Amino acid sequence: GDSVTQMEGPVTLSEEAFLTINCTYTATGYPSLFWYVQYPGEGLQLLLKATKADDKGSNKGFEATYRKETTSFHLEKGSVQVSDSAVYFCAPRSTDDKIIFGKGTRLHILP
Amino acid sequence: KAGVTQTPRYLIKTRGQQVTLSCSPISGHRSVSWYQQTPGQGLQFLFEYFSETQRNKGNFPGRFSGRQFSNSRSEMNVSTLELGDSALYLCASSFHAGQPQHFGDGTRLSIL
Repeated sequence: GDSVTQMEGPVTLSEEAFLTINCTYTATGYPSLFWYVQYPGEGLQLLLKATKADDKGSNKGFEATYRKETTSFHLEKGSVQVSDSAVYFCAPRSTDDKIIFGKGTRLHILP
Repeated sequence: KAGVTQTPRYLIKTRGQQVTLSCSPISGHRSVSWYQQTPGQGLQFLFEYFSETQRNKGNFPGRFSGRQFSNSRSEMNVSTLELGDSALYLCASSFHAGQPQHFGDGTRLSIL
């Protein structure tokens, strides 16, 4: 069945460091891909999305490119801030329209 | 525009009891999904409803059930509660299935 694998955390970086959180998926067809974020004490919210191959989703300085050939959707940010500390979830849409969530990657940014 | 509203925010129950959680989606959204979130298992999909019909179901026992009303509001019910049911239960809504979801703040259920 469809599945998603994202790098395990926690990931600890210093402010202004470069961030990559890896995400790979298995799915038939061409699923839409999402990244969600959960800030401390808050509910999940959509961070960015891409709906077809080579699309780049972006929001709040974060980017992720839909790579069909490697079935990946890695999340990147050039310069992280303390306020980016949160749990990040990679979430492809499966062929039966379910959204499958990865286990989440906890990110800690040190000032 | 009001977001997804879940009630209650917190619940404490004992083993063997049953519980009903409520979710009001964003106005106009017809798809409602439920998830269980625990530190060990992460986010696990429970079920999804669209226009009062269950479209998808995750791998949870029959003690977990749900329904959706004509106004798109949804409830989930857990019967014969077990200690392992302690979790944050999240509801999410979208216009249609498979579209980006908007999440509520969740109901935190604790089983004693």
